Amino acid sequence: GENVEQHPSTLSVQEGDSAVIKCTYSDSASNYFPWYKQELGKRPQLIIDIRSNVGEKKDQRIAVTLNKTAKHFSLHITETQPEDSAVYFCAARKETSYDKVIFGPGTSLSVIP
Amino acid sequence: DAGITQSPRHKVTETGTPVTLRCHQTENHRYMYWYRQDPGHGLRLIHYSYGVKDTDKGEVSDGYSVSRSKTEDFLLTLESATSSQTSVYFCAISRDSQETQYFGPGTRLLVL
Repeated sequence: GENVEQHPSTLSVQEGDSAVIKCTYSDSASNYFPWYKQELGKRPQLIIDIRSNVGEKKDQRIAVTLNKTAKHFSLHITETQPEDSAVYFCAARKETSYDKVIFGPGTSLSVIP
Repeated sequence: DAGITQSPRHKVTETGTPVTLRCHQTENHRYMYWYRQDPGHGLRLIHYSYGVKDTDKGEVSDGYSVSRSKTEDFLLTLESATSSQTSVYFCAISRDSQETQYFGPGTRLLVL
């Protein structure tokens, strides 16, 4: 089955700097890759997703890139702000009926003012 | 937030007792999921449902059962709780298997 690895497990950046979180997946048939943000004590919330027919997607300060050949995808956050501090989860899924989303173990991002 | 509620939000129980967690949605979404969240493991799927009375196992289903008698409710039961089931449990819903999953607020369970 699918296995998703995520690095680093913790990341500290200065406010205004960029943050990059990388994920790798094992199943070459996976073609949907969402990213979730979870603030302390809150529920995970989708922040961006990408499908395999595109290599990059941006939404304001966040972007995701996908390299299907290497089976890895990354989250990029530019101009980080303290409110970006949270745990970020990547995930992968095959888009066929009944296939499950497999989550990475998470990255705890701290943005230092 | 999507119309998802979980009850109870916090529960302390003793080893060997049965526990039932409830997920309720007002979105009329077809798919419902139960995850557990533990440090270092992210979110792991316990069971999911693709319709009333239609359920299937996830990657960590041992020790758990589920039921879905109505579209809006998905119950997770720990038949005989163990300390290893101490965790935060999240319910999620999606319109279908290819749509975004929206999470409930979570239930924090402590098994002593």
